[in-house]
Amino acid sequence: DIQMTQSPSSLSASVGDRVTITCQASQDIRNYLNWYQQKTGKAPRLLISDASNLETGVPSRFSGSGSGTHFTFTISSLQPEDFATYYCQQYDNLPQYTFGQGTKLEIK
Amino acid sequence: VQLVQSGAEVKKPGASVKISCVASGYTFYNYAIHWVRQAPGQRPEWMGWINGGNGRTKYSQKFQGRVAITRDTSASTAYMELSSLTSEDTAVYYCARDKWLVHDYWGQGTLVTVSS
Repeated sequence: DIQMTQSPSSLSASVGDRVTITCQASQDIRNYLNWYQQKTGKAPRLLISDASNLETGVPSRFSGSGSGTHFTFTISSLQPEDFATYYCQQYDNLPQYTFGQGTKLEIK
Repeated sequence: VQLVQSGAEVKKPGASVKISCVASGYTFYNYAIHWVRQAPGQRPEWMGWINGGNGRTKYSQKFQGRVAITRDTSASTAYMELSSLTSEDTAVYYCARDKWLVHDYWGQGTLVTVSS
């Protein structure tokens, strides 16, 4: 199975900060990577597909990049509603989807 | 698009659980449905999917033989049944619609608690 490793596991930041999360795949997954946001007690929400494709309705302060084994997710200016846990997910090795361990973004 | 799941369940070890996912706002048979679970404090874990049109399924190797995903197109509903439950199956179970192999809409989740 492909392993997905996110860093950091947790992050404290302030409103207005720029934050970046990385996701490393254990083997080449091309650009078959998604990013999800999950708030406590809620289902994950798809933000970015295919490494860099912003989903409809998702604010432009969110962005993603990368290919192969190294990916990044950036929030350009943190808003209060962005404090949540973020997961990467690969879908190159179908039918086995795998998620990263998550990055919990907290208010400083 | 909306996916509405059935309510919380409490089961004893060794029992089975069957969760439903009612879809609305789109043509059910044109999309697959995935099932993903999340144990407390853990990352989500993909379990399997079903093609809404032809009913073909694919399961994670981890759950093969213990999970069955079915659908009723007349009711726009997908089901996930998990058998031989243990305490390690305590989790929130989600259904999610497939859009080009990604999960674009999710149900609200169903908490399954396995306890003697």
